[in-house]
Amino acid sequence: GAVVSQHPSWVICKSGTSVKIECRSLDFQATTMFWYRQFPKQSLMLMATSNEGSKATYEQGVEKDKFLINHASLTLSTLTVTSAHPEDSSFYICSGEKGSTYNEQFFGPGTRLTVL
Amino acid sequence: KQEVTQIPAALSVPEGENLVLNCSFTDSAIYNLQWFRQDPGKGLTSLLLIQSSQREQTSGRLNASLDKSSGRSTLYIAASQPGDSATYLCAVKWRAGTALIFGKGTTLSVSS
Repeated sequence: GAVVSQHPSWVICKSGTSVKIECRSLDFQATTMFWYRQFPKQSLMLMATSNEGSKATYEQGVEKDKFLINHASLTLSTLTVTSAHPEDSSFYICSGEKGSTYNEQFFGPGTRLTVL
Repeated sequence: KQEVTQIPAALSVPEGENLVLNCSFTDSAIYNLQWFRQDPGKGLTSLLLIQSSQREQTSGRLNASLDKSSGRSTLYIAASQPGDSATYLCAVKWRAGTALIFGKGTTLSVSS
């Protein structure tokens, strides 16, 4: 397999502040990375797809100005939640696609965001 | 629209039973399909990945099958154990470079 890390694993912030979440592929280069969000007792919902050096593609209903995604290198993508509100509280999970025969996606352990 | 559906949403079985979890998907032209396990409050654990050209994959007590023509996959768990209690997620990738799309999951509870 391959390893994806996320930092921080959990964060609590006040309403109106911004939070940055880092996603790193530790032992492979991820041309494409994905960001998902999971609300309690629900499944993973795709937020956006990012390719290294390009602007992210956001899913319908996801505000691109609120959820800023930067994919600066083949091993690092960041998600910044700007002006966070309590309804942004969720579990955020990133995933990198390893270019190979299988194009398998490897997932980070997730970041739990709580906005007070 | 490409969608993934999982039935049932929840399942309770006594220890030792063999069980089947179902996954169906629209648009049979998939690239691959993956089964994951998720424990409460935790991230994803990949269980099995089936390429579009494959019919099944096995790992220990787990067997996943794929029938593209009918748009279905099943995850078979043999001799279930309390430690198997978790939510099982089915996810489909329709093209390389695009994201896995997840079903809503089946929450399994195995009682001792």
